[in-house]
Amino acid sequence: AQKVTQAQTEISVVEKEDVTLDCVYETRDTTYYLFWYKQPPSGELVFLIRRNSFDEQNEISGRYSWNFQKSTSSFNFTITASQVVDSAVYFCALTPWGAGYALNFGKGTSLLVTP
Amino acid sequence: EPEVTQTPSHQVTQMGQEVILRCVPISNHLYFYWYRQILGQKVEFLVSFYNNEISEKSEIFDDQFSVERPDGSNFTLKIRSTKLEDSAMYFCASSEQGNEQFFGPGTRLTVL
Repeated sequence: AQKVTQAQTEISVVEKEDVTLDCVYETRDTTYYLFWYKQPPSGELVFLIRRNSFDEQNEISGRYSWNFQKSTSSFNFTITASQVVDSAVYFCALTPWGAGYALNFGKGTSLLVTP
Repeated sequence: EPEVTQTPSHQVTQMGQEVILRCVPISNHLYFYWYRQILGQKVEFLVSFYNNEISEKSEIFDDQFSVERPDGSNFTLKIRSTKLEDSAMYFCASSEQGNEQFFGPGTRLTVL
């Protein structure tokens, strides 16, 4: 069985602050994929990143960065210099390695960035 | 940029009625999915579809639910006899190789 825990239900920051969203997962699989999705107030789910379990290299994309630590089963997401447009619910998700598996989502973290 | 589309954006129905939610996946994608999200809760998997058959389904996807790919472009979710607890946002997703899934904008289903 797979499980994703996002312990932070809501986070509120002021614009330009850095913020880290935590994601801890459980799986018996030795290989798997991890994902982050963004759900803005408009409701759609926007794919942000996919990470393979055998690739522990951290990734940076503009103001976004992801820290994958297999030893602690964590896949944390940091937004640097947050902006109001970053306000959204962010979901971490997990699938087994291979094609066509269901995404197992965490409960999400609601991020509010105020001016 | 290609995207997944869903219709309608909002469906209101009476309890016990049948509803069909429609999705047009990205054209070269081979894997199709339905998820639902009850208001304020996490996104839950319903069913996945590949090579014209269901490949995986959750406990939520009982006999009241069915999926179909009636032609080369549409992917539908049917709920035979809706219940109040079926009220949720229903998301369709598609994937080219079965890992990165791209979601449609969702259909909000309200059962009265």
